[in-house]
Amino acid sequence: DTGVSQDPRHKITKRGQNVTFRCDPISEHNRLYWYRQTLGQGPEFLTYFQNEAQLEKSRLLSDRFSAERPKGSFSTLEIQRTEQGDSAMYLCASSPQGAEQYFGPGTRLTVT
Amino acid sequence: GEDVEQSLFLSVREGDSSVINCTYTDSSSTYLYWYKQEPGAGLQLLTYIFSNMDMKQDQRLTVLLNKKDKHLSLRIADTQTGDSAIYFCAETTGNTPLVFGKGTRLSVIA
Repeated sequence: DTGVSQDPRHKITKRGQNVTFRCDPISEHNRLYWYRQTLGQGPEFLTYFQNEAQLEKSRLLSDRFSAERPKGSFSTLEIQRTEQGDSAMYLCASSPQGAEQYFGPGTRLTVT
Repeated sequence: GEDVEQSLFLSVREGDSSVINCTYTDSSSTYLYWYKQEPGAGLQLLTYIFSNMDMKQDQRLTVLLNKKDKHLSLRIADTQTGDSAIYFCAETTGNTPLVFGKGTRLSVIA
């Protein structure tokens, strides 16, 4: 399968713990996006990369969130000191230099 | 800021056509998309249309764009039970992240 992959698919953590998610984009796609989706809502943009450069961050991305794409291929999203409000589906999408964005299956985070 | 609105629910009988509507506010939107999301899954790109087009057809899917009214619709012909899902409308200028609506839950009754 050459689509976007995300790991883990599910994560349950206790409040205050740190978590890290990984996204592997479609090969050769130079743009990579992170979105967050809560129940009953559409995905909301968090941040995006063009190759290894982080070009834009949403106001939703508090200082507890950090994302990297060190070699311009896979990306990680870390949440420090998790809060119950961080519970959501975290979606990654990749795009060639163009219009289409292809999404991965998401990582569902539950903070207890 | 940009906003995308969709009705929340639609119920149709198997074999009928479904029409899902969307309105958006950003007049500089260049690309408009329809994504499908099944329970517990990510988003599947169904189709997209450039703002200089009025219509795009792809097998059972027809997208209509009224740029003047900022209205986008997705018609699914011969709707099947496998089409039951949440459908999201989204827009971008091409250099900006996607802005999504809240999604329309389509229920297909056998």
